[in-house]
Amino acid sequence: EVQLVETGGGLIQPGGSLRLSCAASGFSVSNNYMTWVRQTPGKGLEWVSIIYSGGSRYYTDSVKGRFIISRDNSKNTLYLQMNSLRPEDTAVYYCARGHSRGQGSFDYWGQGTLVTVSS
Amino acid sequence: DIQMTQSPSSLSTSVGDRVTITCQASQGISNYLNWYQQKPGKPPKLLIYGASNLETGVPSRFSGSGSGTDFTFNISSLQPEDIATYYCQQYDILPLTFGPGTKVDIK
Repeated sequence: EVQLVETGGGLIQPGGSLRLSCAASGFSVSNNYMTWVRQTPGKGLEWVSIIYSGGSRYYTDSVKGRFIISRDNSKNTLYLQMNSLRPEDTAVYYCARGHSRGQGSFDYWGQGTLVTVSS
Repeated sequence: DIQMTQSPSSLSTSVGDRVTITCQASQGISNYLNWYQQKPGKPPKLLIYGASNLETGVPSRFSGSGSGTDFTFNISSLQPEDIATYYCQQYDILPLTFGPGTKVDIK
């Protein structure tokens, strides 16, 4: 059974850092493209970052230079290192698995982890 | 960036009614469009990929169509469990972008 479990969220002061983890089971993160999507409380969905099976990584402009997506194949885990956090980064962060038949479609999602950036 | 708009932003209708949601892209995206359902406190669930392909396990009352800039999502007969917010998402060009969502409620 495919499962994704995010951890690492919490309350952090502006300028601080957090690392989100997304532990995968039932499939290999190294063989799939994976993404992070965030959702501001009560608002819509915003794509954050993607990593392809070949290792290419891309980011939305607002997090470029501050966030880093990575994976540890031995732990079958996806990460999002978030630095220089801003209040506008406050959101629920979801990791999701890329769909095999629709590049850019995401068929399994974690339950999300809340990141709150506030002093 | 490709902007996605959805209409209506919310709707309230009766069980058994047909529901139609439209999604428009700011530029042509071929058929690189997904539809997701999200219930409160839950992650999005993929319903339709490639504009018209029903994801495995999704009931056949859900359907999608369209190409280029204009897309339509339908629920043929609304069920109580379909109460949710529905989002379109394009994957033609990065950054991936989502529509603002359509909240569907029971009258």
